Amino acid sequence: QKEVEQNSGPLSVPEGAIASLNCTYSDRGSQSFFWYRQYSGKSPELIMFIYSNGDKEDGRFTAQLNKASQYVSLLIRDSQPSDSATYLCAVNDGSSNTGKLIFGQGTTLQVKP
Amino acid sequence: GAGVSQSPSNKVTEKGKDVELRCDPISGHTALYWYRQSLGQGLEFLIYFQGNSAPDKSGLPSDRFSAERTGGSVSTLTIQRTQQEDSAVYLCASSSTGTDTQYFGPGTRLTVL
Repeated sequence: QKEVEQNSGPLSVPEGAIASLNCTYSDRGSQSFFWYRQYSGKSPELIMFIYSNGDKEDGRFTAQLNKASQYVSLLIRDSQPSDSATYLCAVNDGSSNTGKLIFGQGTTLQVKP
Repeated sequence: GAGVSQSPSNKVTEKGKDVELRCDPISGHTALYWYRQSLGQGLEFLIYFQGNSAPDKSGLPSDRFSAERTGGSVSTLTIQRTQQEDSAVYLCASSSTGTDTQYFGPGTRLTVL
């Protein structure tokens, strides 16, 4: 059973702080890694993807990937109340060439003003 | 359209009835995916289309579930003889050729009474 593990939270940070969200995955064959944001009652919205080891920055968001440790993280700098949502980590199924994704259960982030 | 669209947004049905859920992917996206998100659960892969073919149906939970895609565009997910455990949000996603970056539609919330 291929798994993606996330701490369900809630992770509570004050406005302006750095929020750090973590994810581990079991499939060593996974090559593509995604972070989606999901507001309550809404569908997932893609915010970052990363394919190579190291860091990838996009605005206030930085994705970090360590394939040796099978670990992906998302840093949100200068957190805003509007960042309060559930963050889903997803990885591709490495044994399939279909691109289907395996999702974690999500981490709920609360940014307090 | 600019994004993935799904209809209906909400569907309430009685146990034992059949339902059809529709997905219209982003124009030009050849890959289409159906996922299911049950209350408090992660996203569960159902089926993958490449063009009109479905090379991966491994996530369909039972033979009551079927899907088709026509014209390489619109897809319909059909659930026959619905059961209460089918209640969930059904999400459709699409991606373009050569990438596994998936963009989600707004989902259909199915409630089986």
